[in-house]
Amino acid sequence: KAGVTQTPRYLIKTRGQQVTLSCSPISGHRSVSWYQQTPGQGLQFLFEYFSETQRNKGNFPGRFSGRQFSNSRSEMNVSTLELGDSALYLCASSQGGFNQPQHFGDGTRLSIL
Amino acid sequence: AQKITQTQPGMFVQEKEAVTLDCTYDTSDQSYGLFWYKQPSSGEMIFLIYQGSYDEQNATEGRYSLNFQKARKSANLVISASQLGDSAMYFCAMREGNSNTNAGKSTFGDGTTLTVKP
Repeated sequence: KAGVTQTPRYLIKTRGQQVTLSCSPISGHRSVSWYQQTPGQGLQFLFEYFSETQRNKGNFPGRFSGRQFSNSRSEMNVSTLELGDSALYLCASSQGGFNQPQHFGDGTRLSIL
Repeated sequence: AQKITQTQPGMFVQEKEAVTLDCTYDTSDQSYGLFWYKQPSSGEMIFLIYQGSYDEQNATEGRYSLNFQKARKSANLVISASQLGDSAMYFCAMREGNSNTNAGKSTFGDGTTLTVKP
């Protein structure tokens, strides 16, 4: 069974640009969550999508948005990039139940110059 | 307030010995779930073990076991017979409530870096 696939693995952008990250969950998983990981803040929850609907949202500004498609693939968009957005962005999928573990992708490392 | 506290930034263990990684949590919910993940230097997060707040027995998965002490709000990970490949960052995470609304939202601790010495 293929794991969670995130593309691209690495991205370099400049301030003010926008970026779109992609996540393909494990087949059959309907929940996709996004996390930001930085050395200073650790792992922080961005949002979760389940069956194309945003089910939960963390405390991030509106520049961070996402969506989920009918095949459960998800995209995350960050507009007007800031230096502080440099981070590893992790996507996790699960079947959606409360006691089911999340399975993570390898992440997209975003660097803002 | 910090909801997940991992007080050991770094730990060392000799190969083949057991090691305990500490995790304490804070929640007012009666229903919650606790997870441990491993993150090698390559970056991917690997699920290790799960404990539900109503589970009466401590969870075990191979060489991993979870020492769950509900009254103390602690969920320590025990790795038995450490291997060199166990060297990684370990994260404790929690989901609060028992609603599927929170199924995709986990709160993570700051992690513990484990180094296994040959």
